[in-house]
Amino acid sequence: AQSVTQPDIHITVSEGASLELRCNYSYGATPYLFWYVQSPGQGLQLLLKYFSGDTLVQGIKGFEAEFKRSQSSFNLRKPSVHWSDAAEYFCAVGATGSARQLTFGSGTQLTVLP
Amino acid sequence: SQTIHQWPATLVQPVGSPLSLECTVEGTSNPNLYWYRQAAGRGLQLLFYSVGIGQISSEVPQNLSASRPQDRQFILSSKKLLLSDSGFYLCAWRTSGGGEQYFGPGTRLTVT
Repeated sequence: AQSVTQPDIHITVSEGASLELRCNYSYGATPYLFWYVQSPGQGLQLLLKYFSGDTLVQGIKGFEAEFKRSQSSFNLRKPSVHWSDAAEYFCAVGATGSARQLTFGSGTQLTVLP
Repeated sequence: SQTIHQWPATLVQPVGSPLSLECTVEGTSNPNLYWYRQAAGRGLQLLFYSVGIGQISSEVPQNLSASRPQDRQFILSSKKLLLSDSGFYLCAWRTSGGGEQYFGPGTRLTVT
């Protein structure tokens, strides 16, 4: 069975600083990997996805993530954080099978200081 | 373009009362549909998913049930709510051949 670990429950960064959110996965084959963002009281918005090919993927809002098979990681990065990036971030891995279920990590809460 | 709707947005229900949450998707056909629950300060727990009308798979045993009476409609129900049913309920859809899921705005359920 697949699993996802987000080691950092809460991260605080200053506006303009760089950001890296960690995600480690466990999966027996080549995974489908995703990052979602959730603002308080709202649904999840897809930031980016990795299915195959180039291991560095670009997403919306200036985010990028790098798939590293050797480290079983899919870390999310942004070179300069904006106050509006404060939210909760979820990493997810996709399962094989017809329904392609997702397994989510427990999330990382990002606080941005002015 | 595709959109997903959930209602109601918020709901306060007493213990033992019934529940019906609705999710509809527009702009796509034969989507895979999902119900998740998000407890306070926790990640997402998959409750049910459906690959077609009348086809429901349950991920966790509980007093909730799901139904898919139409292609783009997914309903979450309970006959008698428990305090532990409180949470944020999210519906999601995916194309039958796709990978990523797209989420609705959610329903905040408080059981008192």
